[in-house]
Amino acid sequence: ETGVTQSPTHLIKTRGQQVTLRCSSQSGHNTVSWYQQALGQGPQFIFQYYREEENGRGNFPPRFSGLQFPNYSSELNVNALELDDSALYLCASRRLGQGDYGYTFGSGTRLTVV
Amino acid sequence: EDKVVQSPLSLVVHEGDTVTLNCSYEVTNFRSLLWYKQEKKAPTFLFMLTSSGIEKKSGRLSSILDKKELFSILNITATQTGDSAIYLCAVVVVQGAQKLVFGQGTRLTINP
Repeated sequence: ETGVTQSPTHLIKTRGQQVTLRCSSQSGHNTVSWYQQALGQGPQFIFQYYREEENGRGNFPPRFSGLQFPNYSSELNVNALELDDSALYLCASRRLGQGDYGYTFGSGTRLTVV
Repeated sequence: EDKVVQSPLSLVVHEGDTVTLNCSYEVTNFRSLLWYKQEKKAPTFLFMLTSSGIEKKSGRLSSILDKKELFSILNITATQTGDSAIYLCAVVVVQGAQKLVFGQGTRLTINP
């Protein structure tokens, strides 16, 4: 139990479909970032939200988008799913100004695209 | 492009052995280096390193950073089967926003 909850835990989608993944952060954690971890790889930064606005983005196309809500929850949306989108998606939250040790990761959503 | 490389990618040892995991990096705007243990899904925090030459220690685990040579090592002594996991090295970089740049991870297997 990390204090950061992600849902669903597993998901199977068909190529071309759209998916929404959810993350519920700890109270007071006003920064949330999303990472994609392909099998056998380290997590890759998708984007970060602070106070409901995107303030950093990795090398991911615009079909990856997100939202952050005032209640410390957030969403990752992926449109036009491709087979290579199959991965574990992790969200990590922290309170801005907290030390770098303060990232708390959720257990992830494993997405399979067929 | 920011890059973090871990070695070895996979390691199998016997219980009681000592292991050393390596992490080298080439990034702009380095802020700190983090080590995580990933057993099933959620990475859990082990160490944060910001200064060269200062060893961080927690039980059988220890880690050190060399900012001149741009690498870090994670040592585990007297390994136990519960140490079996993927160990991730991540560098915190700040370019506007702050982000973690991860290495590929080292999959450590401890056999009884």
